[in-house]
Amino acid sequence: DTEVTQTPKHLVMGMTNKKSLKCEQHMGHRAMYWYKQKAKKPPELMFVYSYEKLSINESVPSRFSPECPNSSLLNLHLHALQPEDSALYLCASSQDFGGARDGSPLHFGNGTRLTVT
Amino acid sequence: AQSVAQPEDQVNVAEGNPLTVKCTYSVSGNPYLFWYVQYPNRGLQFLLKYITGDNLVKGSYGFEAEFNKSQTSFHLKKPSALVSDSALYFCAVRDVTTDSWGKLQFGAGTQVVVTP
Repeated sequence: DTEVTQTPKHLVMGMTNKKSLKCEQHMGHRAMYWYKQKAKKPPELMFVYSYEKLSINESVPSRFSPECPNSSLLNLHLHALQPEDSALYLCASSQDFGGARDGSPLHFGNGTRLTVT
Repeated sequence: AQSVAQPEDQVNVAEGNPLTVKCTYSVSGNPYLFWYVQYPNRGLQFLLKYITGDNLVKGSYGFEAEFNKSQTSFHLKKPSALVSDSALYFCAVRDVTTDSWGKLQFGAGTQVVVTP
């Protein structure tokens, strides 16, 4: 079983809705990540939080808004999404955010499968 | 740019036979290499990594990988495949270029199908 928990497992939302994805880890990891994954494709990085501060934003549209309330929780707020935003959204954590010489692996949750209608 | 390539979209193998999933890398300097597996309707699971040291790395579920610097490869292997090994496998390299923060670059993925 994964040590990174994501809720909900599935989400269907209209283009005018506002919803949030939630992620929780209790491994004491200080770095948390949001990825977007299309079917049979590699995950694409969206955001990185290190010590509860946003460190990396991979030029993600503003309709996606991340939040890190504390070291264990990560949210992704969604608003005015487009059908092409339908994908599997994966949360991940790692022990630290050590940059280019960081050998610590990522621990992924099972994702939220999002459908935008 | 740092990158990895997985030349096979799909690998088919009979249960009990050896399984190899290929990965080649293109990096400047010493690579940090990882293998992840994704089972249906699941997130990615870490299998193993190479940072430095012994070229043969052992990981979870009986998998191992051999780092070959001269061939710039990091192939994933399992001596005897199980039907339950059927999944999507991703090779990844950490970008260690000077101006990079260390982003993990994933390969395109290889679908492994193990038949009974």
